[in-house]
Amino acid sequence: DQQVKQNSPSLSVQEGRISILNCDYTNSMFDYFLWYKKYPAEGPTFLISISSIKDKNEDGRFTVFLNKSAKHLSLHIVPSQPGDSAVYFCAASGYALNFGKGTSLLVTP
Amino acid sequence: DSGVTQTPKHLITATGQRVTLRCSPRSGDLSVYWYQQSLDQGLQFLIQYYNGEERAKGNILERFSAQQFPDLHSELNLSSLELGDSALYFCASSGWTGAKDGYTFGSGTRLTVV
Repeated sequence: DQQVKQNSPSLSVQEGRISILNCDYTNSMFDYFLWYKKYPAEGPTFLISISSIKDKNEDGRFTVFLNKSAKHLSLHIVPSQPGDSAVYFCAASGYALNFGKGTSLLVTP
Repeated sequence: DSGVTQTPKHLITATGQRVTLRCSPRSGDLSVYWYQQSLDQGLQFLIQYYNGEERAKGNILERFSAQQFPDLHSELNLSSLELGDSALYFCASSGWTGAKDGYTFGSGTRLTVV
């Protein structure tokens, strides 16, 4: 069963605007949540993480928000740039990282 | 270059055959993880090794096995291959902080079973 879900397979945003990628999870025992970015023909690269005891973590243009009561996290990218176009995976830490199926983000000029 | 090396990059083989995928972790990392990404699927965790010992198992088929050697490189063995085993296989490694600082992934091996 999928413990980490990304319900939007794709998202298109204009350059300069905010991109919001969403993720839901089912297991309340997860202790870290992470976002990965993946370009074609490359492996996923780590973007940002958040501990389950925090509700926000920021790194430059990237901010992750965690809502534990709703078992929901989101990644905000502001401002979005064409180079951000990639597949974004949400992951949650149990005994290993559990990944969602990914959201393909397209940032158009 | 992430520091995690996977070979080969591409592999085409016939049903019923056996293949071995190889992974060298990032220097200093003791943990190695194997993931499978099939079409339209997320990354499915297969197995983890830590310093030569199996640490955790995910959805790994009995036809698949892995090991981690004293030099910390790891091999994933896939046998009696079926068409459905066609996928991208990723290896990742991590240091002692584990998931907190993320795993470092290799660029993957694309396996095609014909």
